[in-house]
Amino acid sequence: GENVEQHPSTLSVQEGDSAVIKCTYSDSASNYFPWYKQELGKRPQLIIDIRSNVGEKKDQRIAVTLNKTAKHFSLHITETQPEDSAVYFCAASKWGYQKVTFGTGTKLQVIP
Amino acid sequence: GAVVSQHPSRVICKSGTSVKIECRSLDFQATTMFWYRQFPKQSLMLMATSNEGSKATYEQGVEKDKFLINHASLTLSTLTVTSAHPEDSSFYICSVRGQDYEQYFGPGTRLTVT
Repeated sequence: GENVEQHPSTLSVQEGDSAVIKCTYSDSASNYFPWYKQELGKRPQLIIDIRSNVGEKKDQRIAVTLNKTAKHFSLHITETQPEDSAVYFCAASKWGYQKVTFGTGTKLQVIP
Repeated sequence: GAVVSQHPSRVICKSGTSVKIECRSLDFQATTMFWYRQFPKQSLMLMATSNEGSKATYEQGVEKDKFLINHASLTLSTLTVTSAHPEDSSFYICSVRGQDYEQYFGPGTRLTVT
């Protein structure tokens, strides 16, 4: 089955700096890669996703890049704000299929 | 999108008892729902895929006789934890696969077994 690794497990940045979270996946058939933000005790919220037919996608301060050859994808958050502090999960699945495999999570702390 | 609710949000039960958690898709008819378990500071682990009108598909290592799943309608799936033990204490989250294939999560249920 699919295996998703995520790094780093914790990340502290100063407010205004950028944060980068990296993930690798094992199943070359995976073609859908969502990113979720989870605040303590809350449900995961989809913040951005990318399909394997594109290499990069951007939504305001958030961007995701995908390298299919290397089987890794990254989340970039620019101009970080304290409200960006949360746990972020990457995930991988095959579009149209059932299962989504989550990474291990990154706890991001933005220091004011 | 899809709006998903869960009930209860928190539950405390004694060892050996059973507890039922409901997952409702409020605005979308969901043929497929998913049940996840999340231990503190850990990732979401898929327990089972709930299929309307048929048996659930369990992930390897998940005891189907302990975690009973019923998906009797297009808007409701239930997870019953039978003979609960303290190690079953966890955050249980359901999700619904929308028409756009995205997953929409419920707010989660915090289960504490004493």
